[in-house]
Amino acid sequence: EVQLVESGGGLVQPGGSLRLSCAASGFTFSRYWMHWVRQAPGKGLVWVSRINSDGSSTRYADSVKGRFTISRDNAKNTLYLQMNSLRAEDTAVHYCARGKFLINDYGDYGASGFDYWGQGTLVTVSS
Amino acid sequence: EIVLTQSPGTLSLSPGERATLSCRASQSVSSSYLAWYQQKPGQAPRLLIYGASSRATGIPDRFSGSGSGTDFTLTISRLEPEDFAVYYCQQYSSSPYTFGQGTKLEIK
Repeated sequence: EVQLVESGGGLVQPGGSLRLSCAASGFTFSRYWMHWVRQAPGKGLVWVSRINSDGSSTRYADSVKGRFTISRDNAKNTLYLQMNSLRAEDTAVHYCARGKFLINDYGDYGASGFDYWGQGTLVTVSS
Repeated sequence: EIVLTQSPGTLSLSPGERATLSCRASQSVSSSYLAWYQQKPGQAPRLLIYGASSRATGIPDRFSGSGSGTDFTLTISRLEPEDFAVYYCQQYSSSPYTFGQGTKLEIK
């Protein structure tokens, strides 16, 4: 059974830092791109960041570029999001989600949306 | 950045009725990398449709997706009580992987 379990959220003051983790199980983690998506209270879904299967390529939403860093440890089946210089507008439930997958060892990918999501971890930025 | 606009914002229908939700993109979505998600209060989103028209694993066949280019539709043929939720479309073709603002499907 595929499982994604986030942790690391909490209350932090403006300007502070947090590191979120997403522990993956039930699939070959190293063959999948992974994403972070967030949702402010009562608002819609906003894509935050993604990392490719071997960690060599990353992308960020403009709102977090230069402040957040996505990374992964394929040996530990874990995805991370290092969040620095936090602002009140970063207050949200943060989800990890599974994305593209390697079909073969020649670098061909399949894509079927964000097919599994964690339960989310709440980050609250407030003084 | 591809902007996705969903309509209507809220849709009020009764169980048994047909629901049609729209998603329009500001530019063509490559290879129909368009997905639909359902989200209920306090829960994570659930993938319903990917590739514009393929149902995800375990999704009932009353859910169907169609469209290409810039215009996409999610249809729920006969609403069940558990279908009342918020629905989001998303393009996962190119970064940033944008979502629409959502359509709330509520019981009339």
